[in-house]
Amino acid sequence: AQTVTQSQPEMSVQEAETVTLSCTYDTSESDYYLFWYKQPPSRQMILVIRQEAYKQQNATENRFSVNFQKAAKSFSLKISDSQLGDAAMYFCAYKNGSARQLTFGSGTQLTVLP
Amino acid sequence: GAGVSQSPSNKVTEKGKDVELRCDPISGHTALYWYRQSLGQGLEFLIYFQGNSAPDKSGLPSDRFSAERTGGSVSTLTIQRTQQEDSAVYLCASSYGTPLSPLHFGNGTRLTVT
Repeated sequence: AQTVTQSQPEMSVQEAETVTLSCTYDTSESDYYLFWYKQPPSRQMILVIRQEAYKQQNATENRFSVNFQKAAKSFSLKISDSQLGDAAMYFCAYKNGSARQLTFGSGTQLTVLP
Repeated sequence: GAGVSQSPSNKVTEKGKDVELRCDPISGHTALYWYRQSLGQGLEFLIYFQGNSAPDKSGLPSDRFSAERTGGSVSTLTIQRTQQEDSAVYLCASSYGTPLSPLHFGNGTRLTVT
């Protein structure tokens, strides 16, 4: 079974600084997809960024980028120029090519300090 | 509406009672998911519907849990004879059902069993 591990239950960052959230996963599949979701206090999960495993280039969405290390099975999220609105719980998620459900990590609670 | 709608937002029930949670997916989305999020935990997969295919019920924790999706649209998650350990946020999501298509989540139903 696939597992997703987020080893940082809580992180904090100063406004305008950069923070990196860690995620590792365990799989024997070669075809899979990785995602980062953000969950603010409103509870609604919002997609932040996604990455196809067959793509070597790291995905980037504005201030959000990933460091995808396939051999190490690592998928970290970097948030640049952190803003107060970035404060939320962040979940890393995995989906293999044939399955349809996402497997989520336990989350990292990010606090942004003014 | 434009997003996934869940009702009720909050539900308090007595132990032993049955509850029904409703999910209205985004129009045109063929896939629908139910996840459970216990306090401070990640998301636990419950059940997945895709078009007219038989649902993937592999995540349902016991036979007290069931779900249906009528007409390929609205879904209802039913919990019979609720227990205190059923207290959690129940999240519904929908997508186009392809591997890379993101899940769009509702705001969830917070269930409290007293």
